[in-house]
Amino acid sequence: DIVMTQSPDSLAVSLGERATINCKSSQSVLSSSNNKNYLVWYQQKPGQPPKVLIYWASTRESGVPDRFSGSGSGTDFTLTISSLQAEDVAVYYCQQYYTTPSAFGQGTKVEIK
Amino acid sequence: EVQMLESGGGLVQPGGSLRLSCAASGFTFSSYAMTWVRQAPGKGLEWVSTISGSGDSTYYADSVKGRFTISRDNSENTLYLQMNSLRAEDTAVYFCAKGANWGWRGVDYWGQGNLVTVSS
Repeated sequence: DIVMTQSPDSLAVSLGERATINCKSSQSVLSSSNNKNYLVWYQQKPGQPPKVLIYWASTRESGVPDRFSGSGSGTDFTLTISSLQAEDVAVYYCQQYYTTPSAFGQGTKVEIK
Repeated sequence: EVQMLESGGGLVQPGGSLRLSCAASGFTFSSYAMTWVRQAPGKGLEWVSTISGSGDSTYYADSVKGRFTISRDNSENTLYLQMNSLRAEDTAVYFCAKGANWGWRGVDYWGQGNLVTVSS
């Protein structure tokens, strides 16, 4: 089974500053057949279900602000919030959808400094 | 608009059973895999089970294999999770989620969640 590990577990960033979250998979989630990384990022705010931000590791979901970006390939991935806004306070999860079980990372809590 | 409404949660004693339902609308239900994801209080997300659009293929986390059964009724646009031999560690909010267009093991829409509490 693929294990997903996020770092850090939490971070506090000043408004307008950059936030960076890392996600590492225990095996590659890059498909040789289509050259796509089967990695998705979700945002979960308190009391709400998760929401898709980024899929295929770097494709922004429709309606997601462009301050959110995803990068990486193979086993190492990054979610970047280029200029943190108050409404970005949430827990962020990565998930691989390359194989079953489709494991989630443990989550990274983003707060305002 | 895609919507999913879970029901059937509540308080159950250890060793008991419960069946969750998820009524879906706003998309062609039979064309998409469906997934249950759970979240224990104050904890992260845990994938529980996925079923193919036709219902022919099912997948389970090791933590629930042999105790939980996922099923669907495509004529009623409804997803189910039959949970037997429940344990305290099964206490969680259970989310019903739609398989994503970009990958059936991912999910792109989530229900609001339904709390299951296993306690004596």
